[in-house]
Amino acid sequence: GAVVSQHPSWVICKSGTSVKIECRSLDFQATTMFWYRQFPKQSLMLMATSNEGSKATYEQGVEKDKFLINHASLTLSTLTVTSAHPEDSSFYICSASGRGSYEQYFGPGTRLTVT
Amino acid sequence: AQSVTQLDSQVPVFEEAPVELRCNYSSSVSVYLFWYVQYPNQGLQLLLKYLSGSTLVESINGFEAEFNKSQTSFHLRKPSVHISDTAEYFCAVRYFGNEKLTFGTGTRLTIIP
Repeated sequence: GAVVSQHPSWVICKSGTSVKIECRSLDFQATTMFWYRQFPKQSLMLMATSNEGSKATYEQGVEKDKFLINHASLTLSTLTVTSAHPEDSSFYICSASGRGSYEQYFGPGTRLTVT
Repeated sequence: AQSVTQLDSQVPVFEEAPVELRCNYSSSVSVYLFWYVQYPNQGLQLLLKYLSGSTLVESINGFEAEFNKSQTSFHLRKPSVHISDTAEYFCAVRYFGNEKLTFGTGTRLTIIP
């Protein structure tokens, strides 16, 4: 149980385009979803926290207009990188947590490369 | 500020030797503690967790970690490592009243044949 999927697993896009990444909880209702960014050989950096049906809460320094997060249902959250640039290239990982749960369940990650 | 420290960024160990990966956290409140493992180009997998009860927790693949409140530590140990244990290991802490996880910087465990 507690499986989280991400799609796509990798994506290459041109500079200036937008990319959408999906995060789904497959067998539980995710009341809270988290989006992280991981640079090579570094730890995870929390970008934002989203609760179903409400606006995401962004961490300091994360541009909310650039990284659009939607959590429209209890099983799906999306991260859209708008007007992507090469510096946005990174490994993006989502996690999900159910109501009253102490744990976060992580997706397999999406590698974004902006050319 | 809440923080998690993994002092060792890289740990090389010979196969079948024991290993300890250190994790300390700053805290003045109660915590939940986690160890995650990350294989190349993959997401994080939960290795073990401490929520309450016994301070010694074990994973199904031979790892164990002990919660030490007085030392604010949650070190990860394995008595005999295998080549397949080569990965990045992250310690994470969730503080009471906060839904976020605070991650350490990670320790790269390399097993030498």
